[in-house]
Amino acid sequence: EIVLTQSPGTLSLSPGERATLSCRASQSVTSNYLAWYQQKPGQTPRLLIYDASNRATGIPDKFSGSGSGTDFTLTISRLEPEDIAVYYCQQYVSSFTFGGGTKVEIK
Amino acid sequence: QVQLVESGGGLVKPGGSMRIACAVSGFSFSDYHMNWIRQAPGKGLEWVSNISSSSGDSNHADSVRGRFTISRDHAKNSLYLQMNSLRAEDTAVYYCARGRFYMDVWGKGTTVTVSS
Repeated sequence: EIVLTQSPGTLSLSPGERATLSCRASQSVTSNYLAWYQQKPGQTPRLLIYDASNRATGIPDKFSGSGSGTDFTLTISRLEPEDIAVYYCQQYVSSFTFGGGTKVEIK
Repeated sequence: QVQLVESGGGLVKPGGSMRIACAVSGFSFSDYHMNWIRQAPGKGLEWVSNISSSSGDSNHADSVRGRFTISRDHAKNSLYLQMNSLRAEDTAVYYCARGRFYMDVWGKGTTVTVSS
């Protein structure tokens, strides 16, 4: 099983700052088969990024994904209050596993 | 519009059974792989099961294999999860989600509570 470790556990930033979220895999995620989801408080998860760097339909370009192999990053270029959420990565190389999540807070 | 609506959750005793359902609308259900994903209270996401578009293949997480069975009814545009031998650790919100690899559409979830 591929284990995904997300860091930091909690990220506290000021509005307008750049947020950088990390997802590290226990083995190589081939073909960049990695997705990112956003889950706002009390809401359903929403797909942001698939295949490591492709934005899903309707996702603004302030969200970007990058990385390969075992290290992946989700970047939120200009943090806004509406971005308060828990962000999860997910691999789909070998079955499906999710990371433990990064909670993004506004200072 | 594309919509997934889960139903059938509730309170069940340990060792009991429950079947939850997901009604699909707004897209061609028979063209898509479907999944069940759960989230225990205050915890992260855990993939549970998936089924191919043709119903030919299904897979289950180790934590539920042998106890849970996923199925679908194309005539009713519905996805199901039959859960047997339920345990306290199965308590969660259960989401149905569309997708073969990543999940691009999610329902709002149904809550299953396993408690005596």
